[in-house]
Parts: sequence; C-alpha cells; structure tokens
Amino acid sequence: DAGVIQSPRHEVTEMGQEVTLRCKPISGHNSLFWYRQTMMRGLELLIYFNNNVPIDDSGMPEDRFSAKMPNASFSTLKIQPSEPRDSAVYFCASTGLLRVEFFGPGTRLTVL
Amino acid sequence: TQLLEQSPQFLSIQEGENLTVYCNSSSVFSSLQWYRQEPGEGPVLLVTVVTGGEVKKLKRLTFQFGDARKDSSLHITAAQTGDTGLYLCAGAWDRDDKIIFGKGTRLHILP
Repeated sequence: DAGVIQSPRHEVTEMGQEVTLRCKPISGHNSLFWYRQTMMRGLELLIYFNNNVPIDDSGMPEDRFSAKMPNASFSTLKIQPSEPRDSAVYFCASTGLLRVEFFGPGTRLTVL
Repeated sequence: TQLLEQSPQFLSIQEGENLTVYCNSSSVFSSLQWYRQEPGEGPVLLVTVVTGGEVKKLKRLTFQFGDARKDSSLHITAAQTGDTGLYLCAGAWDRDDKIIFGKGTRLHILP
C-alpha cells in the first residue's frame, strides 16, 4: 500500500489566489482528517470526515477554507482567497477501525 | 487553550543519556497515543495506551499512561542520535473519532 498520498508537496502562491490541496487516503480507511501544522500552534485539526461525510469542521479557521470528500478515495482542502497567515504544512491522515492515524507527507504552503 | 500540554518544548542532550518527556491534560481520555515526526514527514505512530497505569515498552522507549488517564510520559533510555525528532502525544475519546494533539517536544540528541 502506498500510504496516504498528498499533492502537491510544495505550493508557493501569492496572496489572493485560490489554493487546492489534494489527498488520497489509504484504501479501506473510513475516516479522513485534515490538519494544519505551524511552529506557533502545533498540529491543529481542521476538519474530519467519516464515510465521506463531514463530521466536525469546528477547526476550520474561517469561510475562506472549505473541504470536500466526493468519494472514499479522494478529498480536497481549498483556500480562497489565500492569505500569508495561511502559510503552514497541511497534513491529511486516514484511519481504519483501529483508530490509528496514518499521515501523508504533507503539503508545505507558502503564501506571499 | 491547549488541551494537551507537553513538556519540555525543547530538549537537547548527549547521546547515551536518559530522558523523560511529559504529556498532561485536565481531560480524561479513552486512549492516548505517542507519535514521532521527522523533518519533512508526517507523524508516525509509536504506541497507543488505553488502560490507566498501563506501561508499554518499545525497545529503549517506555510509555506510561497515568492512573487517571489524564497524563502520560515517555522515557528514553540511552538516547541515540536516531531518536532525534518531534514527539507528539495525542488523546482520543470513545465518543467520536477526533484525536487531539499536543504541540510536541522537539528532541535533539547530540553525538
């Protein structure tokens, strides 16, 4: 199994641009999580899905952030418009029945 | 407000020394996990503890879950340079699938 796949690995964009981050969870896992990691705030849960349904989006910072999971093998996190304070590493993780979170390699986002 | 407090935030010690890092909370968890994260990668699970007072060993690493299931410690014996990394604790409840992470302890083992 390839593990959790995220793309792109790095993204540099200008303030105001739309950013879309992508995630492919491990096949058979039924929960998917989006996290943001910064030095100041650590690893913050943004939103998680269970069986493709958003369960808790209380960590999404504001309306500029949105996430979708159209099927069991794909999810996106979109920021529109992006701001410099959104710069961080964004991780996707998936879990199966044992509630062990398997993380992807992350997307390092820099908003200029 | 950080639900899980980890201490120390940073630790730099010589190879061969012993160390303990801590994870504390005012909340009771159903289980607690420890992860290690290396630069440029996502966190990787080391262990899950479930029972209050539980002790688990993973080679030179010893993990303990507090009796009240509110805190945990990680002890490393005879640290090696390969132990360098960010150690994260994470708490979970049975009521949902959320896992809440602490900010981590950044450990640097000097050769």
